[in-house]
Amino acid sequence: DTGVSQDPRHKITKRGQNVTFRCDPISEHNRLYWYRQTLGQGPEFLTYFQNEAQLEKSRLLSDRFSAERPKGSFSTLEIQRTEQGDSAMYLCASSLAFPGQGTTNEKLFFGSGTQLSVL
Amino acid sequence: AQKITQTQPGMFVQEKEAVTLDCTYDTSDQSYGLFWYKQPSSGEMIFLIYQGSYDEQNATEGRYSLNFQKARKSANLVISASQLGDSAMYFCAMREGSGGYQKVTFGIGTKLQVIP
Repeated sequence: DTGVSQDPRHKITKRGQNVTFRCDPISEHNRLYWYRQTLGQGPEFLTYFQNEAQLEKSRLLSDRFSAERPKGSFSTLEIQRTEQGDSAMYLCASSLAFPGQGTTNEKLFFGSGTQLSVL
Repeated sequence: AQKITQTQPGMFVQEKEAVTLDCTYDTSDQSYGLFWYKQPSSGEMIFLIYQGSYDEQNATEGRYSLNFQKARKSANLVISASQLGDSAMYFCAMREGSGGYQKVTFGIGTKLQVIP
């Protein structure tokens, strides 16, 4: 049973460059989440997918950010024209949720994250 | 107002002793879930324990227990018999509401260091 995997683990880029991160969720999980975590803070929600549909986006997700989950399996998060303020750990999580059922106990399984440093 | 408040930036505990990590929350929903996650230096967030707002018993998972005091809106994590491998960041989180999607909100975490 493989967990959530993220690639790359670390990314160093220059300001203004585009970067793309990949997340492979646990295979049977239908929900996939992206979170951002800066030093000294807890993870902050960015966006989530139910299968291939992107159902919610945070106001933190500026139009330089785009996320896709084309076949309802892996997901990519792209940041265009990176800024130094984008430096953070980007965490992916997945879960198995059943529509129509209460989801307050929905457990998230996280990957190890991608640490982005923008110089 | 902060949804999740963790007031202890750092905690020390002697190996084999018990430690309590504090968490208070703020919600007007009747249905919500409370979680604790552990984040070691490797970065991965590891689920530890869950408590539902309607659960009458405090949740327990091995050495972890959740001291749920609904009226005080607190959900403290108790780790018994601390081990060196427990040294990590610990995050309290809450999922609110019922039906559809509910965002999970995390606190800022508590750094626990276990001393040999």
